[in-house]
Amino acid sequence: KAGVTQTPRYLIKTRGQQVTLSCSPISGHRSVSWYQQTPGQGLQFLFEYFSETQRNKGNFPGRFSGRQFSNSRSEMNVSTLELGDSALYLCASSFYRDRVIDTQYFGPGTRLTVL
Amino acid sequence: TQLLEQSPQFLSIQEGENLTVYCNSSSVFSSLQWYRQEPGEGPVLLVTVVTGGEVKKLKRLTFQFGDARKDSSLHITAAQPGDTGLYLCAGPVLSGGSYIPTFGRGTSLIVHP
Repeated sequence: KAGVTQTPRYLIKTRGQQVTLSCSPISGHRSVSWYQQTPGQGLQFLFEYFSETQRNKGNFPGRFSGRQFSNSRSEMNVSTLELGDSALYLCASSFYRDRVIDTQYFGPGTRLTVL
Repeated sequence: TQLLEQSPQFLSIQEGENLTVYCNSSSVFSSLQWYRQEPGEGPVLLVTVVTGGEVKKLKRLTFQFGDARKDSSLHITAAQPGDTGLYLCAGPVLSGGSYIPTFGRGTSLIVHP
């Protein structure tokens, strides 16, 4: 079974631009979550989608948005990029909706650098 | 303030040594998970602990969940270079009617041959 794939793997943008990242979950998984990972803050939850609906959102500004398609693929968008948005963006998929005991499978991430 | 505090932040040891890393919180968690993340990759789940006092073994790795379910530890016996990576603990936090996974900042482990 193919794992979670993320594209692109690396991205360089300048301040003020916008960026769209893509995530393809494991086949059959309907839950997709996005995370931002930085050395200073660690791994932080951005949002989760389940069956095309945003189920939960972390504490990030409205410049961060996402969506999920009917085939469970997901995209996240960051508008008006700031230097502080430089980070590794990770996508994770899971089968179940209940996250109390849930196994998330992470993709390799997209490394975004904002200049 | 980090809900899950991990220590130590960095650990550099020689092959064959034993080590323990910790994950502590002032909050009670229904479960905790441990992940390992290697450079250039996403985290990979190692174990989920759900019962206070629970001990789980995965080859040379031993995971323990505290009796009060506020802390957990990971002990590695006879560390090998392949154990190098970032070890993350994570637990579910109830928010808006559903659970959000919250991660500690991790322990970065380097095992030298």
